[in-house]
Amino acid sequence: DAGVIQSPRHEVTEMGQEVTLRCKPISGHDYLFWYRQTMMRGLELLIYFNNNVPIDDSGMPEDRFSAKMPNASFSTLKIQPSEPRDSAVYFCASRQSINWETQYFGPGTRLLVL
Amino acid sequence: TQLLEQSPQFLSIQEGENLTVYCNSSSVFSSLQWYRQEPGEGPVLLVTVVTGGEVKKLKRLTFQFGDARKDSSLHITAAQPGDTGLYLCAGGYSNTGKLIFGQGTTLQVKP
Repeated sequence: DAGVIQSPRHEVTEMGQEVTLRCKPISGHDYLFWYRQTMMRGLELLIYFNNNVPIDDSGMPEDRFSAKMPNASFSTLKIQPSEPRDSAVYFCASRQSINWETQYFGPGTRLLVL
Repeated sequence: TQLLEQSPQFLSIQEGENLTVYCNSSSVFSSLQWYRQEPGEGPVLLVTVVTGGEVKKLKRLTFQFGDARKDSSLHITAAQPGDTGLYLCAGGYSNTGKLIFGQGTTLQVKP
């Protein structure tokens, strides 16, 4: 398996622009997670899905952030409008089940909002 | 609110030295995982501990879950430059799919 795939790997945009991050989880995994990592706040859980349904979005910073999972093989995290404080590395991760099996992370998308 | 506190945050040691990283919380977790992250990559799972008092060994790495399942430690014996990286602990709750991550410990092992 190719692992969790994220695109783009790097994104530089200007404040106010819309940003869309993409994720393809490992086939057969029921859980998908979106995280944000910064030096100040570490690795924060933004939202997670089970069988394509959002279960907990309490970590989503504000209404500018939205996430969708239209099918088992694709998810998006959208920021509209983007702000400089959104600059971070965004990780997608997937896991097969709720029983504490390995959670696999993608390589991340490095976002810089100017 | 940071539920998992890791210490130390930064550690720079010489090759061959021993070290211990701590992960503490006031919450009880059903499981505790340790990850290692290298620059430019996502975290990679090292170990999962689920039983209070459990000890697991992975070559030169020893992981322990506290008896009350609120804390954990990672001990590295005879550290090597290849051990350099960011070490993250993560606590899990059995009734949800969530993992809560600590802030991480950045380890540098100098040759």
